[in-house]
Amino acid sequence: EVQLVESGGGLVKPGGSLRLSCAASGFTFSNAWMSWVRQAPGKGLEWVGRIKSKTDGGTTDYAAPVKGRFTISRDDSKNTLYLQMNSLKTEDTAVYYCTTGNPYCGGDCFPSWGQGTLVTVSS
Amino acid sequence: VIWMTQSPSLLSASTGDRVTISCRMSQGISSYLAWYQQKPGKAPELLIYAASTLQSGVPSRFSGSGSGTDFTLTISCLQSEDFATYYCQQYYSFPPTFGQGTRLEIK
Repeated sequence: EVQLVESGGGLVKPGGSLRLSCAASGFTFSNAWMSWVRQAPGKGLEWVGRIKSKTDGGTTDYAAPVKGRFTISRDDSKNTLYLQMNSLKTEDTAVYYCTTGNPYCGGDCFPSWGQGTLVTVSS
Repeated sequence: VIWMTQSPSLLSASTGDRVTISCRMSQGISSYLAWYQQKPGKAPELLIYAASTLQSGVPSRFSGSGSGTDFTLTISCLQSEDFATYYCQQYYSFPPTFGQGTRLEIK
């Protein structure tokens, strides 16, 4: 059974940094494209970014609102995905979900999700 | 960026009803569309991808149709556990984007 467990959320001041982690199990993590999707309180879903598997180049892509501030990385030896968030803004307040990418969608639809971790950016 | 319009935003229905939710794209996306269900306080769940392919484990009362710019999610016989919010998502072009959601509530 696929399991994704996020951690690292919390309260941070504007301009601050936070690193989220996602521990994966139940599938071959090293082969998976992984994405982060966020949801602001009471709002819809927003794709944040993704990282391809190392065999597919290990490259990253980001949504425009976070590009240059957020960095996605992975440690395949630990089956763990990371989201480093810098220069945080109040509009980054959201629940952040770690997701797997379905290869039948080119990695860009999401069959498995973690439970989410809440990031609150406030002074 | 591809813009998506889901309708209706709110849908009231009863158990046993057949309901449809629409998703319209600002440009053609072939069949590169997925549908998700989200219950309050929970992560979304993938229902359908490639516009009409049912994700493993999803009940057959859910179906998807459409291609190009107009897509539909149909629930053939509403069950109590189906009252939730539904999102469409395109993955035809970068970045992947979601519709604004349709909340399905009990009438």
